[in-house]
Amino acid sequence: SQTIHQWPATLVQPVGSPLSLECTVEGTSNPNLYWYRQAAGRGLQLLFYSVGIGQISSEVPQNLSASRPQDRQFILSSKKLLLSDSGFYLCAGTPGEGYTFGSGTRLTVV
Amino acid sequence: RKEVEQDPGPFNVPEGATVAFNCTYSNSASQSFFWYRQDCRKEPKLLMSVYSSGNEDGRFTAQLNRASQYISLLIRDSKLSDSATYLCVVNNAGNMLTFGGGTRLMVKP
Repeated sequence: SQTIHQWPATLVQPVGSPLSLECTVEGTSNPNLYWYRQAAGRGLQLLFYSVGIGQISSEVPQNLSASRPQDRQFILSSKKLLLSDSGFYLCAGTPGEGYTFGSGTRLTVV
Repeated sequence: RKEVEQDPGPFNVPEGATVAFNCTYSNSASQSFFWYRQDCRKEPKLLMSVYSSGNEDGRFTAQLNRASQYISLLIRDSKLSDSATYLCVVNNAGNMLTFGGGTRLMVKP
């Protein structure tokens, strides 16, 4: 079965600093991969999705970017964080019924 | 109109109660449907898929009404451990899931 690994679990970063969150997948090949953000008390917002190496689609224009350098690796980045980038970042993947989520990274920008 | 709408709650119920959540979706071409559970500060986890014929998993029953474009989740004999946020999820096409905002359930002793 598919497992999604995310790290770190918690991150506190100053405004203007760069960001790199990594997501790796075990147990499947050629998965569709997704980055979501969840603000406190809010629903899940799809940020990026990828159907294969080097293929990235952005759902919402913003201060973030994503890359997929390997089949089972999906990276979320920012060159300069904003306060509004704070939130709970979740990586998810398919195949399988529904999505499998990683355990998430809670980012606080200060 | 949101693609997937849920009553945010909270639903406060005593242990042992039966509680039902509804969810409506806007895209009549939606293909598959799910309920996820999300505990506080944790990732969402798949609770159950929702089939056209309805399906049951222990104390949980999910139903789909395509004509009216709504999905329901019934929880019988509520436990304290059922306290969580329940997310209604719709797959429109190509494994793109759209999440509702969630319904918060609090089961009290």
